[in-house]
Amino acid sequence: ILNVEQSPQSLHVQEGDSTNFTCSFPSSNFYALHWYRWETAKSPEALFVMTLNGDEKKKGRISATLNTKEGYSYLYIKGSQPEDSATYLCAQIQGAQKLVFGQGTRLTINP
Amino acid sequence: GAVVSQHPSRVICKSGTSVKIECRSLDFQATTMFWYRQFPKQSLMLMATSNEGSKATYEQGVEKDKFLINHASLTLSTLTVTSAHPEDSSFYICSARDYQGPQETQYFGPGTRLLVL
Repeated sequence: ILNVEQSPQSLHVQEGDSTNFTCSFPSSNFYALHWYRWETAKSPEALFVMTLNGDEKKKGRISATLNTKEGYSYLYIKGSQPEDSATYLCAQIQGAQKLVFGQGTRLTINP
Repeated sequence: GAVVSQHPSRVICKSGTSVKIECRSLDFQATTMFWYRQFPKQSLMLMATSNEGSKATYEQGVEKDKFLINHASLTLSTLTVTSAHPEDSSFYICSARDYQGPQETQYFGPGTRLLVL
């Protein structure tokens, strides 16, 4: 299992500001990268599955990009709202159908 | 979207007892389910892959006799922590893959917090 790293570990953002954070992963034998949003006491919610280099996906105010050659993905949140407060997880498919997770970025939106 | 339930949400038990955790896919069939464990300030770590009707596949370092997995139907997988000890205290979470869903997304349960005294 090869490490997936996320940075920063935690982030405080003022309501209305935009923010972004990073997921770094091994670039060799890339198959897919998943992003999840995880609110306290709830199930992690799938946001994006990204497979192609240069992919950019969007869901409302949240978007993600993928660079498989250099091994990173960015998650962007535009105009942060309090309901965006959550832990954002990225996970790479490694080996046969296994998800390898980063430690997550804990995002807090200050009203 | 697809829903996965997990029961119980938290459990406290005495050292030496066994604890069973259930993972159910509520609105889809899951031939494959996954069990993860998360220690404080660490990432979700895959423990085992549960396949309906066959033996589970365990990750390196996970004791199969300690963490018994049964996937008897297409909607239910159970994880039994046998003879639990304080070091087994952790957050356990399951996921289920919907092969008819988009790009083989895994859908997660809400997790079970286990505390062994």
